Amino acid sequence: EAQVTQNPRYLITVTGKKLTVTCSQNMNHEYMSWYRQDPGLGLRQIYYSMNVEVTDKGDVPEGYKVSRKEKRNFPLILESPSPNQTSLYFCASSLRFPAGGGNQPQHFGDGTRLSIL
Amino acid sequence: QQQVKQSPQSLIVQKGGISIINCAYENTAFDYFPWYQQFPGKGPALLIAIRPDVSEKKEGRFTISFNKSAKQFSLHIMDSQPGDSATYFCAAGTGTASKLTFGTGTRLQVTL
Repeated sequence: EAQVTQNPRYLITVTGKKLTVTCSQNMNHEYMSWYRQDPGLGLRQIYYSMNVEVTDKGDVPEGYKVSRKEKRNFPLILESPSPNQTSLYFCASSLRFPAGGGNQPQHFGDGTRLSIL
Repeated sequence: QQQVKQSPQSLIVQKGGISIINCAYENTAFDYFPWYQQFPGKGPALLIAIRPDVSEKKEGRFTISFNKSAKQFSLHIMDSQPGDSATYFCAAGTGTASKLTFGTGTRLQVTL
């Protein structure tokens, strides 16, 4: 089954304790992206990756890091989490960047709800 | 800066009615306008998308209307059903920019 898998689904942690949210896709997609979803703000892009070893900042990258060492994996790293990073996070992938030729729908994971105390 | 403005924030429609969600954009370079549907506890999923070379696209009960001169596009859900109750996001993107810009979402509730 084609899917994007995020782990963990829920995490409660404390300020300053480094954490990693993993994301894996099994569709051989080139493009992967991380979003955060906050009430009233919709989905905002944090980082994206066009392919292995190619990453770039989205709209709200501060406080986050990513890496793309393999095509299927795109982990999101919070080196020193703060309460303002409490949010619902989504990883997404698509064959190529989402507005490319033809419909290239982004496939989303089911989300990671992160609470930072 | 909110490049894609979506309204209303929430919407209650009776079963069988028409649900209408509107979006307006600022960047004239946008050339791809998808709508995503999100159920509670799930990630968004592509519902329908349009490019600016057409003014309307219909897939079943879902229709996108696009007005290039007004820089607006809307989602119409005909014969709305309780199973359509979800959050809907509009988005916009360009072929040269490697990302989508999303609206703030509309929570739709279809009542019996």
